[in-house]
Amino acid sequence: NAGVMQNPRHLVRRRGQEARLRCSPMKGHSHVYWYRQLPEEGLKFMVYLQKENIIDESGMPKERFSAEFPKEGPSILRIQQVVRGDSAAYFCASSSDSGNQPQHFGDGTRLSIL
Amino acid sequence: AQKVTQAQTEISVVEKEDVTLDCVYETRDTTYYLFWYKQPPSGELVFLIRRNSFDEQNEISGRYSWNFQKSTSSFNFTITASQVVDSAVYFCALSDPDTGRRALTFGSGTRLQVQP
Repeated sequence: NAGVMQNPRHLVRRRGQEARLRCSPMKGHSHVYWYRQLPEEGLKFMVYLQKENIIDESGMPKERFSAEFPKEGPSILRIQQVVRGDSAAYFCASSSDSGNQPQHFGDGTRLSIL
Repeated sequence: AQKVTQAQTEISVVEKEDVTLDCVYETRDTTYYLFWYKQPPSGELVFLIRRNSFDEQNEISGRYSWNFQKSTSSFNFTITASQVVDSAVYFCALSDPDTGRRALTFGSGTRLQVQP
């Protein structure tokens, strides 16, 4: 299966620790999007990246959150000094260069903060 | 700003009933795409359909059908002869790929429970 791969599937952290979420896009896709789903809510856009560039980070909190998509390797969403409110499902999606393509989602990472 | 409204928070039906999930959207753009995704209890997001704003033809795929009405800014989803396996949260979403912001705007979802 060459779909969008996210790991880990589940991540548990204590308050104050760092969380790193990884996303490998579908083969041939160079656009990556991160979304957050709080419990019982819809998905909210966080950040849109192309290789080595952040295109749109309008949905990402200004503090503690960062994202990267290096030339080699997966995209990383990093949350520093996690708090209870960061508990959520984080989904990654990818698309090809064409804006006409649907966004394929990974299975998500469920982050739990103790 | 774009907005997607799914007014039905939760719907419960009995197996074999037909059910329609409503989706109303707002956008200033003339070119856009509409999507439906299914999120079963296992949590992953399953892509169901994408519709171009220039294509108002209804679409049918097995027991699923979609009714796109540009005049009312609606993109409703009907499941015919529902089954227990259809139980999930269904999300409608909107994107505008022709601008720099390609992100999807999601509705809050409709939880469908199909009782045996």
